[in-house]
Amino acid sequence: EAGVVQSPRYKIIEKKQPVAFWCNPISGHNTLYWYLQNLGQGPELLIRYENEEAVDDSQLPKDRFSAERLKGVDSTLKIQPAELGDSAVYLCASSLGAVAGGQGETQYFGPGTRLLVL
Amino acid sequence: AQSVAQPEDQVNVAEGNPLTVKCTYSVSGNPYLFWYVQYPNRGLQFLLKYITGDNLVKGSYGFEAEFNKSQTSFHLKKPSALVSDSALYFCAVSGASSASKIIFGSGTRLSIRP
Repeated sequence: EAGVVQSPRYKIIEKKQPVAFWCNPISGHNTLYWYLQNLGQGPELLIRYENEEAVDDSQLPKDRFSAERLKGVDSTLKIQPAELGDSAVYLCASSLGAVAGGQGETQYFGPGTRLLVL
Repeated sequence: AQSVAQPEDQVNVAEGNPLTVKCTYSVSGNPYLFWYVQYPNRGLQFLLKYITGDNLVKGSYGFEAEFNKSQTSFHLKKPSALVSDSALYFCAVSGASSASKIIFGSGTRLSIRP
C-alpha cells in the first residue's frame, strides 16, 4: 500500500513569491494534517481536515497561508507571499479518523517538503 | 493546556546496552500518548502508542514504553540498542476530547555507538 505522498520534496523560492505544496493521503484515510517542522524541533500542527472540512485551523497564519482539501482526498497548502521565516519542512500526515472523539488514531507521515526562502 | 516535555536533547548509548528516552506530559483527562521516530530527510514513523489498557506498550523494532499515570511519564525503552536505532525520537500527547489536538515534544536525538 502506498504511503502518504508529498510533492515537491524540495523547493527554493525568493521571498514574496507564492509557493504550494501538495499531499495525497493514504487511501481511505479521512483525516489529513499539515504540520510545520523547524530544524531540530517537533512538528507543529497547522491545520487538520476531517474529510473536506477544516476542523482545526487555529494555528494557521491566515494572512498568508491557505489550504484546501477538495473532495476530501488530496490537499494543497499555499503560502502567499512567502517570508524568510517560512523556511522549514512542511509535513503532511493522514489517519483513518478520530478514535472515540479524541485524537488517538495513528498518524502516517509523508516525507515532507523542505522549503527554503531566500 | 496540553504539553509534552523531552528533557534530554541527546542520549548516547553503547550498542548492546539498554536505552531509555524520557517523556513527560500534561493533559486534562486521560491521555493518548505516542512515540515516533524520524530518520534524516524522512517523515516521522510511528513506533507505538498508549490509548488504554496495559501500561506497558510494545511497538516496532523492539521498542516498548511504559505509561505511568502518577508520574505523568511515557518513557521509551529498548533492552539492547542497535546502531541502526540512531535517529530523532518524538513523544506526542493528545487528549480524549474531540477538541483535543496532538502536541509533539521537541525531540531527543539518540546516538548509538558501536
